[in-house]
Amino acid sequence: RKEVEQDPGPFNVPEGATVAFNCTYSNSASQSFFWYRQDCRKEPKLLMSVYSSGNEDGRFTAQLNRASQYISLLIRDSKLSDSATYLCVVNYYGGSQGNLIFGKGTKLSVKP
Amino acid sequence: EAGVTQFPSHSVIEKGQTVTLRCDPISGHDNLYWYRRVMGKEIKFLLHFVKESKQDESGMPNNRFLAERTGGTYSTLKVQPAELEDSGVYFCASSQDFAAGRGAFFGQGTRLTVV
Repeated sequence: RKEVEQDPGPFNVPEGATVAFNCTYSNSASQSFFWYRQDCRKEPKLLMSVYSSGNEDGRFTAQLNRASQYISLLIRDSKLSDSATYLCVVNYYGGSQGNLIFGKGTKLSVKP
Repeated sequence: EAGVTQFPSHSVIEKGQTVTLRCDPISGHDNLYWYRRVMGKEIKFLLHFVKESKQDESGMPNNRFLAERTGGTYSTLKVQPAELEDSGVYFCASSQDFAAGRGAFFGQGTRLTVV
């Protein structure tokens, strides 16, 4: 079983649509959670951290359910510029800050 | 503020040759990471430095890979000798503190092709 699993995608949605991505992680010791976006042939860029209470940043809302080991990202009012691959990322650490564990990513394509 | 920079952006080498990748982290970030994405797979952790010390190198695939971070500033990742399966995109990242919800910041990557 993969440590971080995401919807396989691709998601093809029209502009203005609401789209949700789901992610599950296998290690209950995971401590920090993030969504990254990656444009084609570019580096991953931090979109937002995910907090236990849930958090929102403009059109983006992230949720975390530690009991179910489940993370979600909701994008409202999709824009063409939202087209990218969205990576679910978790971190767990022992004696140091550890490392980031990536999902394979879900590709989003927003069409006019 | 300058981001994480990597050099070169692309490298094409023959099987058996040596390649050295360089990463300059964000100034003040003690944590430096190397990651790799091979085609069709997820991004995978290779190694973590805290300053000049290797904190975790559990992701290094084999002893053909050598990472250094002398002086705790920039880092190099050497592959010697390169094999075909080493092809992929090598990302470097740096961070301050994951616990505070600050993720890691990535360089643009080095696309390595071994032919």
